[in-house]
Amino acid sequence: DAGVIQSPRHEVTEMGQEVTLRCKPISGHDYLFWYRQTMMRGLELLIYFNNNVPIDDSGMPEDRFSAKMPNASFSTLKIQPSEPRDSAVYFCASSLGNLGQGFYREKFDYGYTFGSGTRLTVV
Amino acid sequence: AQTVTQSQPEMSVQEAETVTLSCTYDTSESDYYLFWYKQPPSRQMILVIRQEAYKQQNATENRFSVNFQKAAKSFSLKISDSQLGDAAMYFCAYIGVVDDMRFGAGTRLTVKP
Repeated sequence: DAGVIQSPRHEVTEMGQEVTLRCKPISGHDYLFWYRQTMMRGLELLIYFNNNVPIDDSGMPEDRFSAKMPNASFSTLKIQPSEPRDSAVYFCASSLGNLGQGFYREKFDYGYTFGSGTRLTVV
Repeated sequence: AQTVTQSQPEMSVQEAETVTLSCTYDTSESDYYLFWYKQPPSRQMILVIRQEAYKQQNATENRFSVNFQKAAKSFSLKISDSQLGDAAMYFCAYIGVVDDMRFGAGTRLTVKP
C-alpha cells in the first residue's frame, strides 16, 4: 500500500487566491481527517469524514475553508480566498474503525496513518 | 473535552543513553487509546507505539516502551539506547469514544553524539 497520498507537497500562493489541497486515503480506511499544524497552535483537527460523509467540521476556521470527499478514495480541502495566516502544514490522515465499534477492537489499528503533508505559504 | 499535555517542550539525550518523555491527559472516559508519534524533519508523522487503556501491560516496541499509569492519567515514552535517528518532535495523542485524535504540543528531542 502506498499509504496516504497528499498533493502538492508544497504550495506557495498569493493572498486572495484559491488553494486546493488533495488527499488519497489508504484503500479500505473509512475515516479521513484533515489536520493543520502551526508553531503557535500545534496540530488541530479541521474536519473528519466517515464513509465520505462529513461528521465534525467544528474545527474549520471560517467559511473560507471547505472540504469535500466525493468518493472513498479522494478528498479536497479548499481555501478561498487564502490569507497569510493560513500558512501552515496541512495533514490528511486515514483510519479504520473507531472505539464505538467494539468488535473491531482486536482487529484494527486505531492509530491514524498520516500523509506527508502540504506546506502552504500564502504571501 | 479530552486534553493532552506534554510539559517538556525540549529534551536532550546523549547517544546510547535512555530518555523519558512525559505526557499526561485528562478524560472522563474509561475506554481509549494512547499513542506516541514521531515527526522527523521530513515532517512525516510516524506511529511509534500505542497503548490500549484496558490493557494493564505496558506496550513495548524494540527500544521504545511506555509507562502507562491509568489512575494518574500518565503515559510516558522511554527510548533506550538512543540513536541519532531518534532526533525528532514527539507527539503524545489520545483517541476515545469520540472519533478524532487529540495531540499534545510536542517535545523536541535532540540526540547528542
